Amino acid sequence: ETGVTQSPTHLIKTRGQQVTLRCSSQSGHNTVSWYQQALGQGPQFIFQYYREEENGRGNFPPRFSGLQFPNYSSELNVNALELDDSALYLCASSLPGQGTDTQYFGPGTRLTVL
Amino acid sequence: GNSVTQMEGPVTLSEEAFLTINCTYTATGYPSLFWYVQYPGEGLQLLLKATKADDKGSNKGFEATYRKETTSFHLEKGSVQVSDSAVYFCALKGSARQLTFGSGTQLTVLP
Repeated sequence: ETGVTQSPTHLIKTRGQQVTLRCSSQSGHNTVSWYQQALGQGPQFIFQYYREEENGRGNFPPRFSGLQFPNYSSELNVNALELDDSALYLCASSLPGQGTDTQYFGPGTRLTVL
Repeated sequence: GNSVTQMEGPVTLSEEAFLTINCTYTATGYPSLFWYVQYPGEGLQLLLKATKADDKGSNKGFEATYRKETTSFHLEKGSVQVSDSAVYFCALKGSARQLTFGSGTQLTVLP
């Protein structure tokens, strides 16, 4: 158990729709990172939030956006869904400045786009 | 940019066999190195980590040593169990805050 939770567990959407995924960070962790894991692949970094501000972004288009709230929960929003967005979406919380800044992952949300 | 190359799988072993999963990396500076494990239907769990050259990370019988001269962080276990069946990911964290992952190695341990 990492103390990081995500909801929902599974989600099915159709192409063109919008989706919001949620993450609750480990207690006291002020940084959250989001990753996309396609089937059979390693996770790819989407973006990171630190104290409610975006703090780094991977190679993902602007239709991927996020929010972090004062209680350190966060959201990943994806607009205009495409078939290739089907993946496991993982969030990870961490506390920068604590040694290696280890990231602790939630169980993920499995998104299927039809 | 940073990159991680992992030994291709899948790997199938008998219980009590010796395990090695190779991992090499490319990075500037002095990254931290990690092994994560993913059990079926679950998210990633941190298995072990090392933050500087010659450090050895260990957990649950698994070990990996940070070798800067060979840019490697190979995962080893002396005697695998059926419960070790999972996908193993090598990852690094450099000056940027995000993790860069390898493509993963599927391990199946047969009784």
